[in-house]
Amino acid sequence: QKEVEQNSGPLSVPEGAIASLNCTYSDRGSQSFFWYRQYSGKSPELIMFIYSNGDKEDGRFTAQLNKASQYVSLLIRDSQPSDSATYLCAVPSSNDMRFGAGTRLTVKP
Amino acid sequence: NAGVTQTPKFQVLKTGQSMTLQCAQDMNHNSMYWYRQDPGMGLRLIYYSASEGTTDKGEVPNGYNVSRLNKREFSLRLESAAPSQTSVYFCASSDRNGGWEQFFGPGTRLTVL
Repeated sequence: QKEVEQNSGPLSVPEGAIASLNCTYSDRGSQSFFWYRQYSGKSPELIMFIYSNGDKEDGRFTAQLNKASQYVSLLIRDSQPSDSATYLCAVPSSNDMRFGAGTRLTVKP
Repeated sequence: NAGVTQTPKFQVLKTGQSMTLQCAQDMNHNSMYWYRQDPGMGLRLIYYSASEGTTDKGEVPNGYNVSRLNKREFSLRLESAAPSQTSVYFCASSDRNGGWEQFFGPGTRLTVL
């Protein structure tokens, strides 16, 4: 089992809809979780991180964490075409960060 | 601030050639990383340097060497390039090792023929 797993997609949603991106992780001891966005041909950039069970909101983005189920998700409300990108889930390991393969999101106008 | 810079942006090598990828950061970060990104594989850690003067292997270190030249610079060397090393290489830095935000450079797209 990979340490961090994501559905590779592509996930396609219409403009204005809610996009839901999911990630599962294998290390029950993980304490923090990161979501990076990567536009095509560009480098990843951090958009959200979450440490505690429950929801964390930042503008149109909400990260949800369920440690018992080892599951973290990212919701994007009112999706815009500019949100079209690959979203990477990342979980710190002992000395580094383990990344999922990413979910490609397309928001159609 | 330039953040994390990488050179070159693109490179084509023949099998067996060597080259060094350069990375520098101006954020006074302690930790630096080299990743490779292949389609469907996500980012995989090659080597990291938790602090100046230390380097450690990551998930896929074979065929690579690194040097932490000083706090700002962290280079990645391919001694004898192979087609399997065709990839996009990203350098990143963070304030501390482990669960801290990493800032990425623009990447180097390497093709080995």
